[in-house]
Amino acid sequence: QSALTQPPSASGSPGQSVTISCAGSIDDIGIHDFVSWYQQFPGKAPKLIIYDVSKRPLGVPDRFSGSKSGKTASLTVSGLQTDDEADYYCSSYAGNNRLVFGGGTKLTVL
Amino acid sequence: QLQLQESGPGLVKPSETLSLTCTVSGDSLISSRYYWAWVRQPPGKGPEWIGSIYSSGNTYYNPSLQSRVTMVVDTSKNQFSLRVFSVTAADRAVYFCARHSRPMGAVTYPFDYWGQGTLVTVSS
Repeated sequence: QSALTQPPSASGSPGQSVTISCAGSIDDIGIHDFVSWYQQFPGKAPKLIIYDVSKRPLGVPDRFSGSKSGKTASLTVSGLQTDDEADYYCSSYAGNNRLVFGGGTKLTVL
Repeated sequence: QLQLQESGPGLVKPSETLSLTCTVSGDSLISSRYYWAWVRQPPGKGPEWIGSIYSSGNTYYNPSLQSRVTMVVDTSKNQFSLRVFSVTAADRAVYFCARHSRPMGAVTYPFDYWGQGTLVTVSS
């Protein structure tokens, strides 16, 4: 069982926006601003798309945005494209030199 | 261009030791200021951080695995390695090596470079 809780699936139509939640605890998301999000295609390694809650690495479209409220982080994908169909994982620093991940959300673009 | 490549047996017998090596190219571990890590992902599940290591040999491990895991760095070969002892079927996963995204900072930062991953199965 993963330390962070994500919905197993999410979906949206092309052009729409979808938001994926990531629920943590006071020990991780609730106190640390080191929340990150990864995009993963089948058979590939995860790709970092959001770090420090809301920052994007170079080359990641601004259609991807992140936020945090309390013990829950969120990833929003705006202007959905078919290429966005993938698995998305959240991760957070959990103190005492520990990193935790979520169980993942499969995003389907209808 | 930084590249990481995992290598090691794809099949390990129950109760034996899983051994993997990550070869780094495009950066020198001996002079690198980054932490390097192992992450595993059981099929169909989320990733799990196993542990991280610095060029000095300083390590941090996931408390849930700490009693069965050892990581070592070999700067002469530009490699770092993972050993998981007393494996069971629950250790079946794709094992990735990765780099933490900012210098120093130990485990604080996420991963910006990953290897392609290698599937390790536990079976007799």
